[in-house]
Amino acid sequence: GAVVSQHPSRVICKSGTSVKIECRSLDFQATTMFWYRQFPKQSLMLMATSNEGSKATYEQGVEKDKFLINHASLTLSTLTVTSAHPEDSSFYICSARGLAGKYEQFFGPGTRLTVL
Amino acid sequence: AQKVTQAQTEISVVEKEDVTLDCVYETRDTTYYLFWYKQPPSGELVFLIRRNSFDEQNEISGRYSWNFQKSTSSFNFTITASQVVDSAVYFCALSSPSGTYKYIFGTGTRLKVLA
Repeated sequence: GAVVSQHPSRVICKSGTSVKIECRSLDFQATTMFWYRQFPKQSLMLMATSNEGSKATYEQGVEKDKFLINHASLTLSTLTVTSAHPEDSSFYICSARGLAGKYEQFFGPGTRLTVL
Repeated sequence: AQKVTQAQTEISVVEKEDVTLDCVYETRDTTYYLFWYKQPPSGELVFLIRRNSFDEQNEISGRYSWNFQKSTSSFNFTITASQVVDSAVYFCALSSPSGTYKYIFGTGTRLKVLA
């Protein structure tokens, strides 16, 4: 149980284009989803927290207009990187927290974004 | 303040050696959870263990064992008879009410097991 999927697993795009990453909880309802960014050889950095049906809460320093998050249902959250630039190239990981436990998150496999 | 410290940035061992990865945490909460994750080169985080603050029993799972000591705010992870497949980055994380249940990750320890 508690499986989280991400799509796509890898994406390469041209500078200036927008990229959408999907995060789905497959076998549970996720009241809260989290989006992380990880640069090479670094730890995970929380970008934002989203609750179903409400606006995402962004961490300090994260541009909300750059990283659009939508949590339209209890099983789906999307992260759209708008007007992507090479510095947005990174590994993006989502996680989900269910109704049963507020302490634990279940992680997706990650999406590697490369912006040319 | 919530904080997780993994002081060992990188450790190299030879196969079959035992290795301990350290994790020290800070929180003012009495109820909290601690986690260990493995991140192999593929990038996917692999869950290893969760431990709540009221359960100080050590845990063993195959070659893996964990030592939780509230007195020293540590939650150390030992791999016995390490194998090349254990090579990965290992993260310790804390989740607690004061942190609004967000994960506080340590900086990770990169383990290299040499054949």
